Amino acid sequence: EDQVTQSPEALRLQEGESSSLNCSYTVSGLRGLFWYRQDPGKGPEFLFTLYSAGEEKEKERLKATLTKKESFLHITAPKPEDSATYLCAVQAGSNYQLIWGAGTKLIIKP
Amino acid sequence: DADVTQTPRNRITKTGKRIMLECSQTKGHDRMYWYRQDPGLGLRLIYYSFDVKDINKGEISDGYSVSRQAQAKFSLSLESAIPNQTALYFCATRTGTGEGTQYFGPGTRLTVL
Repeated sequence: EDQVTQSPEALRLQEGESSSLNCSYTVSGLRGLFWYRQDPGKGPEFLFTLYSAGEEKEKERLKATLTKKESFLHITAPKPEDSATYLCAVQAGSNYQLIWGAGTKLIIKP
Repeated sequence: DADVTQTPRNRITKTGKRIMLECSQTKGHDRMYWYRQDPGLGLRLIYYSFDVKDINKGEISDGYSVSRQAQAKFSLSLESAIPNQTALYFCATRTGTGEGTQYFGPGTRLTVL
């Protein structure tokens, strides 16, 4: 069964303390892996798409990487405004549906 | 103006009532989706539509129905709401070709008493 698991469920960091969020997946026929950011009371906001193992993408303090089994979202020197829930989704199969993880809630304390 | 809009943003209703949630988009995308989000769970797909004449059930379609009135409009109905349908509901759109990013609306918070 296709599955996406995110860890940890929640992560509390001090401002400036770098860390990584994990998204592990078991799917057949990976077509893409997506990272989204979700603020409370809002819809998910697209961050990155990764298509093949070894690919990396960066945006400001965020960098996403992909292997054959997992993806990491690295956050460098985070700021309080980076606090949000980060969602991972995998696109697979012939109809390109997304399979979602439950998310990691990131809290950055000033 | 937002590319994907949802109405209402918040709704409180009673068990047994019929509810309609509406989604409109100005992105020109063919594909539209309805998801629900519950605490601690990933987004779960309710229904999706590839175009006006192509509507498909997702993993949790029981108790829901949809209508694709036009390329830009996709409505979700709860024919007889029940308390375990209390959740956040999101509409999303994407282009109709191959891999593509889904873009989300702001969501509707539905409470069924």
